Amino acid sequence: EVQLVESGGGLVQPGGSLRLSCAASGFTFSSHSMNWVRQAPGEVLEWISYIGHTGSEIKYADSVKGRFTISRDNAKNSLFLQMNSLRVEDTAVYYCARDSGYCTRGGCYRWHDYWGQGTLVTVSS
Amino acid sequence: DIQMTQSPSTLSASVGDRVTITCRASQSISSWLAWYQQKPGKAPKFLIHDASTLESGVPLRFSGSGSGTEFTLTISSLQPDDFATYYCQQYNSYPYTFGQGTKVEIK
Repeated sequence: EVQLVESGGGLVQPGGSLRLSCAASGFTFSSHSMNWVRQAPGEVLEWISYIGHTGSEIKYADSVKGRFTISRDNAKNSLFLQMNSLRVEDTAVYYCARDSGYCTRGGCYRWHDYWGQGTLVTVSS
Repeated sequence: DIQMTQSPSTLSASVGDRVTITCRASQSISSWLAWYQQKPGKAPKFLIHDASTLESGVPLRFSGSGSGTEFTLTISSLQPDDFATYYCQQYNSYPYTFGQGTKVEIK
């Protein structure tokens, strides 16, 4: 059974840092790209970061670029999100999400087929 | 960035009703569209990829269609477990973007 378990959320002051983790099990972690998606209270889903299965390909949403860093440790089946210079507007539930998909001549196309339960990050003074 | 617009924002329906949710993309995304279901306090659940391919285990009353810029999610006969918020997401290009969601409420 595929399981994704996030941890590391909590209350942090504006300008502070936090590191989220996502422990994966039930599948070959090193074969799948991964993502972080967040959802502010009562708001819609926002994709914020992607990392390829080897870790060599990384993408960010403009809203977090330069402040957040995604990484992974395939030996430990873990995904991470280092969040620096946190702002009040970063308050959200953060989900890790596994990708499935395929590549064509036109590119690679991936959807998020499994999600963790989420971890709440609250940025407030 | 590609903008995704869902309609309606809220839909009131009864058990047994046929329900259709529309998702429009600001530019063509071919068929690179997914649908997710989310219940309060829970993570999204993946339903459909490539606009119309049902994930294994998802009830057959769910179906998706469309290509280009206009897509639909249809629930052929609404069941009590289906009352939730539904999101579309394009994966044609980064940043991947979601619609604002459609809440399906009990009438």
